[in-house]
This record gives sequence, C-alpha cells and structure tokens, in this order.
Amino acid sequence: SQKIEQNSEALNIQEGKTATLTCNYTNYSPAYLQWYRQDPGRGPVFLLLIRENEKEKRKERLKVTFDTTLKQSLFHITASQPADSATYLCALGGSQGNLIFGKGTKLSVKP
Amino acid sequence: ETGVTQTPRHLVMGMTNKKSLKCEQHLGHNAMYWYKQSAKKPLELMFVYNFKEQTENNSVPSRFSPECPNSSHLFLHLHTLQPEDSALYLCASSQDRTLSTTNEKLFFGSGTQLSVL
Repeated sequence: SQKIEQNSEALNIQEGKTATLTCNYTNYSPAYLQWYRQDPGRGPVFLLLIRENEKEKRKERLKVTFDTTLKQSLFHITASQPADSATYLCALGGSQGNLIFGKGTKLSVKP
Repeated sequence: ETGVTQTPRHLVMGMTNKKSLKCEQHLGHNAMYWYKQSAKKPLELMFVYNFKEQTENNSVPSRFSPECPNSSHLFLHLHTLQPEDSALYLCASSQDRTLSTTNEKLFFGSGTQLSVL
C-alpha cells in the first residue's frame, strides 16, 4: 500500500539555522507534491507545490526539492525564525486526484 | 483568513446526541471536502463534493452524514458517535475536483475540535 513518511515527529533547531524536513514515500508515483504549514488549533495552509518533472522550487526563504528516483522531497527553511515554529505536512498528488498526507513534522525554532 | 469558515470551533457531545458541523467558503470554489485529523495520524479524507455532487465517500461510517446544498456550503451531520470519533474535523475547498491538473491546492478552515463523551 502507499506510504508516506516524514522523517521525524519533531525537529528542534536554533534561530538562524536552516531547517530541513524530509518526506519519503513508497509504492506511489505522484504527479506532484505539496507542502503545508499547520499551526495549533488551525487548519493546514498551502506553502508550495512541486511537479514530478521539477527538481527544485523556491519561495522566499523556502526551498523544496523533489527526487523521484529516491522517492523523496526535502523542505528547507533558511534563516529560520521562531515564527516558523509549526507542523509541516507533505502531501502527494496523483492522476486520480487524491492528496495523500503525511503525519507531519513539528518544527520548533529556539531563539 | 483562508476564506473557509467552520463552525463551531469546539464541540462536546454525548454518544446519543445529534449535532451538525458547518462549513462555508467565500472563494468561489466548486469542490469541498471533509477531512478527519486524529492525533499522530495523517489527515484522512472522508467525503468529496464537486459542483454539489458527492464524488467520493472513503468508507466512512453512516453515523457521519454529509450534506452539500450548494457549492459554498457543506455540512457534516453527526449522530450516535463513538469516543474514537473524537478528532479535529477539517473542511477544505479547491477550485474543482480535478487535482490532477497539478495547480490545485486546498484551502482549509480552522476545523471543529470534536470530543465525544
């Protein structure tokens, strides 16, 4: 069956460092991948989408890579700030139109 | 503000109660979704509506009954729930159901935190 793994439940880093979150998948060939941010008590908010034929996508301090050979996406936040603390979800999309979500990684950026 | 509003934000109900969750989107979208989010579990898709028609039911128990009177409103009617149904229920919308266009993204509401006693 399809499986998505986000590298860890929680990630703690120091302010100013680069946060790197990992999303691995198996038994799936997604057409695209999305990343969402979720704050406590709120719904997820869309951040970035990357397609299967794209290697990298950037938006301000965010960078996403997509390696279909390794079946992996990396999500980077450079110059991290305490305000970046949240749970980050990856979601895979396929030709059937369904999005499959990972469990998320809770990022904590310490001042 | 994502343009998707859910009420109530919190709900406590007994197993014999009947309650309804409401969702409204102001984005002009044609597709609406109900998701369930339990602690330490991925988001689970429950129902999908596209242009008011239900296009997907992910084997959800009949104690959950969705209703979509128009493209802007979505309800989830609850009755005789179980304690394991306690979770965050999220409504989302997208331009339309064809997520395979690769430009689609979901807009979520803030959710209803449901506790079943």
